[in-house]
Amino acid sequence: AQTVTQSQPEMSVQEAETVTLSCTYDTSESDYYLFWYKQPPSRQMILVIRQEAYKQQNATENRFSVNFQKAAKSFSLKISDSQLGDAAMYFCAYSSGGGADGLTFGKGTHLIIQP
Amino acid sequence: SAVISQKPSRDICQRGTSLTIQCQVDSQVTMMFWYRQQPGQSLTLIATANQGSEATYESGFVIDKFPISRPNLTFSTLTVSNMSPEDSSIYLCSGIGVLMNTEAFFGQGTRLTVV
Repeated sequence: AQTVTQSQPEMSVQEAETVTLSCTYDTSESDYYLFWYKQPPSRQMILVIRQEAYKQQNATENRFSVNFQKAAKSFSLKISDSQLGDAAMYFCAYSSGGGADGLTFGKGTHLIIQP
Repeated sequence: SAVISQKPSRDICQRGTSLTIQCQVDSQVTMMFWYRQQPGQSLTLIATANQGSEATYESGFVIDKFPISRPNLTFSTLTVSNMSPEDSSIYLCSGIGVLMNTEAFFGQGTRLTVV
C-alpha cells in the first residue's frame, strides 16, 4: 500500500518570504501522480500543483513549485513571496496512474503566514 | 474545472439516526469518491462510488454503515447510518472529470456533528 508522509505539522513564514513544505511517499508503482492540495478554513480542497511521475521536469504554478526527487521519493512544495491568503492546511497526496484508486493523503502541514 | 455541490454543508444529528449527504457534479465525471476527515486529521478514502453498482469500500469501511449510491454519472449519495459521536467528521465528495487526467476536485464538505 502507498503511504504519504508529511513530517512538518506546522510551519510559519513571514509574508513575502519563501517556505518549503516537505513530503515523502512510498510506492512500488512506476506510474503515479503527486499533488499538493490546500485546505483553508472554508474546508474547500483546492489543487495547488500536480506532478506526473514520468516527467523529470518539476512542475510550477506561478509562486508555487515542487522539487520532485523520484529516486528519493520526495515531493516538496516551495511557496515563494508568501501571501496572507496562503495560510491554510497543505496536504500532499498520491494517486496511482489513472486515478481510479482515489487519493492517499499525508497528515497535512498547517502553514501560518506572519504579517 | 468541474464544480461539485454538496449538501448539507453541516448538520447536527442525534446518535442512532442516519444522515444522507448528496453530491451533484455539474459535468460528467469518470470516478467519484467519498472521503472522511476526522477532526484535525487528514482525509481518508471511504469508498469509490460506482455508477449503477455497489460501491467499492476501503478497509475499515462497510456498506451497512456507509451505504453509497450513484444512479448516474453526475450524482452520488453517502449515508452515515446508526450514527455515534465517533462519526463526527467532515465528509467530502470528490470527482475526476473525463478530461481532467486524474486531477481530483472536491465538494465543500459536510461537517457532521453527532450528539
